[in-house]
Amino acid sequence: ELKVEQNPLFLSMQEGKNYTIYCNYSTTSDRLYWYRQDPGKSLESLFVLLSNGAVKQEGRLMASLDTKARLSTLHITAAVHDLSATYFCAVDSTSGTYKYIFGTGTRLKVLA
Amino acid sequence: DVKVTQSSRYLVKRTGEKVFLECVQDMDHENMFWYRQDPGLGLRLIYFSYDVKMKEKGDIPEGYSVSREKKERFSLILESASTNQTSMYLCASSLSASGGAQSYNEQFFGPGTRLTVL
Repeated sequence: ELKVEQNPLFLSMQEGKNYTIYCNYSTTSDRLYWYRQDPGKSLESLFVLLSNGAVKQEGRLMASLDTKARLSTLHITAAVHDLSATYFCAVDSTSGTYKYIFGTGTRLKVLA
Repeated sequence: DVKVTQSSRYLVKRTGEKVFLECVQDMDHENMFWYRQDPGLGLRLIYFSYDVKMKEKGDIPEGYSVSREKKERFSLILESASTNQTSMYLCASSLSASGGAQSYNEQFFGPGTRLTVL
């Protein structure tokens, strides 16, 4: 069974600090997606990672993909309060359809 | 920009009512999806469709049906709403991956419908 696990599930951090969210998955999928969700809102696409070694950066967020380790990381640099949200990773199902398998989500709270 | 819209942001219905949730996308995407999101359970796929009139069950299809008569529109139907269907419902769409190393399947989400069944 394909599993996507994120850790930590909850993260409370001070402004200005760095931290990393981890996304582990159990199949050979080489496409991974990161989304952000604000409370009460829908999901917003952040990054699409398409191959081993892919790295994408947007502002204080940087995502990377290691398909051999089946691991993606979302690194937060010098966190600010506006980054408080829930972050999801997702991988393509390998069933030949266009389904995602979502991770559990990481709820990030950045304290001023 | 891709736009996915949902017919209602908030909806309150009574147990036993038939409920229709509508989703429309404007980017000619082949694939459309319905999820529900509940605290502690994450996002769960109810149904998806990869073409007009085509549908496939997701992980939790019981109590739901769907309709896709036009490419841009995907409807979720609760035949007889129950209180355990109180949830946030999210619609998404994606372009079919064309194959090859750089193809991908980024899903774009609508704003969500928060349904309460009393």
